[in-house]
Amino acid sequence: GQQLNQSPQSMFIQEGEDVSMNCTSSSIFNTWLWYKQEPGEGPVLLIALYKAGELTSNGRLTAQFGITRKDSFLNISASIPSDVGIYFCAGRGLSGNTPLVFGKGTRLSVIA
Amino acid sequence: NAGVTQTPKFRVLKTGQSMTLLCAQDMNHEYMYWYRQDPGMGLRLIHYSVGEGTTAKGEVPDGYNVSRLKKQNFLLGLESAAPSQTSVYFCASSSGLAVLNEQFFGPGTRLTVL
Repeated sequence: GQQLNQSPQSMFIQEGEDVSMNCTSSSIFNTWLWYKQEPGEGPVLLIALYKAGELTSNGRLTAQFGITRKDSFLNISASIPSDVGIYFCAGRGLSGNTPLVFGKGTRLSVIA
Repeated sequence: NAGVTQTPKFRVLKTGQSMTLLCAQDMNHEYMYWYRQDPGMGLRLIHYSVGEGTTAKGEVPDGYNVSRLKKQNFLLGLESAAPSQTSVYFCASSSGLAVLNEQFFGPGTRLTVL
C-alpha cells in the first residue's frame, strides 16, 4: 500500500523560531493535506493542496505541494506556544477513490 | 451543528469483553471512517463506509466490525477485546472520497483493554 514518511518525528523549538516539516510518499499523490491535532482532540485541517507546485498559506502556516508530486512541506513562521501539537500530513493517490493515507505525525513543542 | 460526535469518550474493558463505539455526524456526509491512533504510529484506518448500508476494510480491520445502518451513524464493534486494541479511536466523515472533500474528525474515544 501507499506509505508516507513524515519528518521529523518531534521538534523542540524556542518561541519565535520558524519550523519546517516534510512528508514524502513512495508514489505520486494528487492531493496533500496538513492537519493539526491538539491534546485530547481530533485532527483539524490546516491546509489542502491540489496541484503540483502549489504554495498555500493560512496565517503563519505555509504548505507546498512538491513538483515531483511525491512530497509536501509545511512551514510555520514565528512560532507561538499555541502551535504545540501533532502535525499530520495526509495524501491521496492517483486512483482518487481511496481513503486518505496519513503520515505518523510530527510532535511540536514550543518553549516560551 | 455538532459536527462529528463520538460516544463514549473513555472506556476500560477486560480482555474478552465486547463493546460498541458510536459515531454520529450531522453534516449529511456520505463517507465515514474509523481510525485508531497509537503512539508513533499516526492514524491507521480500520474500516470505512461510502454510504448507508456499505462498509469496506481499511489498513487494520482485524478484530473489528462495523455497521452503517443509518447515514448519520457509523458503529465500531469489538467482539472480544484484546490488550492490543488499547488505543485512541477517531471517527471522521467527509462528503466524498474525491479531491476537495475534507475529512472532519470527532474528539476521539480512549479505550483501555486490561
